Amino acid sequence: TAGITQAPTSQILAAGRSMTLRCTQDMRHNAMYWYRQDLGLGLRLIHYSNTAGTTGKGEVPDGYSVSRANTDDFPLTLASAVPSQTSVYFCASSARGAANSPLHFGNGTRLTVT
Amino acid sequence: QQQVKQSPQSLIVQKGGIPIINCAYENTAFDYFPWYQQFPGKGPALLIAIRPDVSEKKEGRFTISFNKSAKQFSLHIMDSQPGDSATYFCAARAGGSQGNLIFGKGTKLSVKP
Repeated sequence: TAGITQAPTSQILAAGRSMTLRCTQDMRHNAMYWYRQDLGLGLRLIHYSNTAGTTGKGEVPDGYSVSRANTDDFPLTLASAVPSQTSVYFCASSARGAANSPLHFGNGTRLTVT
Repeated sequence: QQQVKQSPQSLIVQKGGIPIINCAYENTAFDYFPWYQQFPGKGPALLIAIRPDVSEKKEGRFTISFNKSAKQFSLHIMDSQPGDSATYFCAARAGGSQGNLIFGKGTKLSVKP
């Protein structure tokens, strides 16, 4: 079972350019999330979606947008990248509504904005 | 505002030692406290979790101790092995199964042979 697939695995992006990080899950989980991981700051929630067609803002949403057109896909878009968005981005999913349902993470996208 | 404070930031122990990682929280609405383990180049994975109605939970060599009155919880790794070397994150969630997880900043554990 693939679980969560993220693409690309890494990317170097010029400041001011746009980019979409892709995330697909095959577990039919209703909830999906985007986190960024920075050294010394841990995992911070960017955006989330409780179910297809809905999205919500996390702790650090500025500069990012998401969409959830269907259950399986949850792309994250940077409209105009800035160096402070250099980070490792993790997509995750869970069966929200199920007690103790864990987050299942992908292996991340390492993004460098120059 | 950091809602889950984790310490230490890094930890080095010898094989067989018992590393302890501590977390503290302020929000009394938190009702679920998982620990995630992350190896280099991989995403975090659930290791063990506890609810506030119990004071301790063991799964293999991993134990969570929970002190509701002090609003603290900790992870103990018994008989630690080099393969346990990873980054560990505590987390907490409010709002029942609909709430989002709030993560601590992580602890990088190195277990020396």
